[in-house]
Amino acid sequence: EAQVTQNPRYLITVTGKKLTVTCSQNMNHEYMSWYRQDPGLGLRQIYYSMNVEVTDKGDVPEGYKVSRKEKRNFPLILESPSPNQTSLYFCASSSAGGSYNEQFFGPGTRLTVL
Amino acid sequence: AQTVTQSQPEMSVQEAETVTLSCTYDTSENNYYLFWYKQPPSRQMILVIRQEAYKQQNATENRFSVNFQKAAKSFSLKISDSQLGDTAMYFCAFMRYAGNNRKLIWGLGTSLAVNP
Repeated sequence: EAQVTQNPRYLITVTGKKLTVTCSQNMNHEYMSWYRQDPGLGLRQIYYSMNVEVTDKGDVPEGYKVSRKEKRNFPLILESPSPNQTSLYFCASSSAGGSYNEQFFGPGTRLTVL
Repeated sequence: AQTVTQSQPEMSVQEAETVTLSCTYDTSENNYYLFWYKQPPSRQMILVIRQEAYKQQNATENRFSVNFQKAAKSFSLKISDSQLGDTAMYFCAFMRYAGNNRKLIWGLGTSLAVNP
């Protein structure tokens, strides 16, 4: 089954404790992206990647890091989480060829930083 | 900068009836894509329908159709024969193909309740 998976689905942590949210897709997609969803602010892009070793900032990259060492994985790293990073996070992927390709979303990760 | 506005935070409809959700957007681009996504209580983001700006014909997917008015920058979603499973948040989203980034720009959503 074609899918994007995220782990963990739920996480409660404390300020300053480094964490990683994993994202993996099994569709051989080149493009991957991270969004955060907040009430009143909607979804905003954090980082994106066009292919292995190619990443770039989205609209709200502060406090986050990403890596793309393998095509299928695009982890989101919070080196020193703060309460303002409490949010619902989505990973998305799509193929890069052509002018449009549907983006597939993971199930979301609910992160709470105390 | 592109923006997407959904003016109806909440709506409700009776089962089997028709409902229309509104979306307007602002862009100076000529080529772009518009989408409606559904987010049920499970929080999964599900693509409902999409429209390419260069196509004049309105997109249709089963009970879902859009009214795309490019000059007015309007992109409404019509749900016919509403079903209880249509209860969800609905997001309108815009995408321009800007270099390598397939960034989606999102509205704040409309919460739709389908009542039995």
